[in-house]
Amino acid sequence: SQTIHQWPATLVQPVGSPLSLECTVEGTSNPNLYWYRQAAGRGLQLLFYSVGIGQISSEVPQNLSASRPQDRQFILSSKKLLLSDSGFYLCAWSGASTDTQYFGPGTRLTVL
Amino acid sequence: AQSVTQLDSQVPVFEEAPVELRCNYSSSVSVYLFWYVQYPNQGLQLLLKYLSGSTLVKGINGFEAEFNKSQTSFHLRKPSVHISDTAEYFCAVIPTGGFKTIFGAGTRLFVKA
Repeated sequence: SQTIHQWPATLVQPVGSPLSLECTVEGTSNPNLYWYRQAAGRGLQLLFYSVGIGQISSEVPQNLSASRPQDRQFILSSKKLLLSDSGFYLCAWSGASTDTQYFGPGTRLTVL
Repeated sequence: AQSVTQLDSQVPVFEEAPVELRCNYSSSVSVYLFWYVQYPNQGLQLLLKYLSGSTLVKGINGFEAEFNKSQTSFHLRKPSVHISDTAEYFCAVIPTGGFKTIFGAGTRLFVKA
């Protein structure tokens, strides 16, 4: 069966520090991968999606970036965090049929 | 473009009472429809989905939803809720063959004893 991992689970970072969140998927090949952010009391905002290695589409211009160095690995990064980057970050994958998304457990990021 | 409107941001209900969470969507192309559930500090889980066929869809934990094409709605129902159903529920659509899911803002269901 397929599983999706995210780490770290929680993170507290100072403003201006770098960020690296990692997501890996097991049990499937060539998944579509997604990064979402969920701010407190708000819905899901799609940040990036990827349909293959090295292929990244950005939905929201901001100080975040994403990379897909391997088929089942998706990384969210920032060079300098802002207060507004605080939130719950969710990684998700979908298969060839692309309809259903399967979510990871999330990373709670607090920027102070 | 597609959009999803969840008509209630919060729904308080007593245990064992029925509940309906409302969802309307807008799209110029055919879509698939979903309900996801999110428990506190967790990722989203698929509750049920409508791809085609019967307009009444049954999901996990006793939930069901009915697709109404003429009213562009996909309301979620449960005849008798439990305390453990307290969570946030997201309605979502994706264009058939598309990559990007469009989520509603979410409805927080709070079940009281």
